[in-house]
Amino acid sequence: EVQLVESGGGLVQPGGSLRLSCAASGFTFSSYGMSWVRQAPGKGLEWVSTGGSGGSTYYADSVEGRFTISRDNSKNTLYLQMNSLRAEDTAVYYCAKNGGSGGGVYYMDVWGKGTTVTVSS
Amino acid sequence: DIVMTQSPDSLAVSLGERATINCKSSQSVLYSSNNKNYLAWYQQKPGQPPKLLIYWASTRESGVPDRFSGSGSGTDFTLTINSLQAEDVAVYYCQQYYTTPCTFGQGTKLEIK
Repeated sequence: EVQLVESGGGLVQPGGSLRLSCAASGFTFSSYGMSWVRQAPGKGLEWVSTGGSGGSTYYADSVEGRFTISRDNSKNTLYLQMNSLRAEDTAVYYCAKNGGSGGGVYYMDVWGKGTTVTVSS
Repeated sequence: DIVMTQSPDSLAVSLGERATINCKSSQSVLYSSNNKNYLAWYQQKPGQPPKLLIYWASTRESGVPDRFSGSGSGTDFTLTINSLQAEDVAVYYCQQYYTTPCTFGQGTKLEIK
């Protein structure tokens, strides 16, 4: 069964840092681009970042320079390092598998259940 | 950035009837070299992650009931749900993946009348 399980969310003060993890199973992780998508409370979906299978990385303007996406193919795990967090980063963060290989954005065919990040003092 | 605009924001449809959700992109998402529209549709039920329904504008994801269909090209797209079932109550999103950043519509909330 294809599965994505996020972890690492929590409550953090403005200006703080957090690292999210996404453990993948049931598919060849190294062959697919992987993305992070977030959803603020009561709001719609917002793409955050994509890490291509070849190591390319892409970011939304709202997180560029503050967030870093990375992956460890030996551990089948995707990461999102979030620094200089702001109140507006408060959201459920979903890990998602791209429907195709390679770099760039794509449709997302498998989603995790999400992990909640709350930025508040 | 490509702006995706869905209409309506919400709609109520009777069980067994047809629901139609529209999505318009601020520029074409049709890639001429492969004649594919880089447009996907997702369903999100309360407390759940999004679920992929349709990609390439009209290709149904495996396991998705055939009452769900997608159509359109260029800048105008439609998600049609025939014979609405109670379990179809959800928020539906379109997404373009033609270019970075990929962008989503604001969502359409579908309820039972």
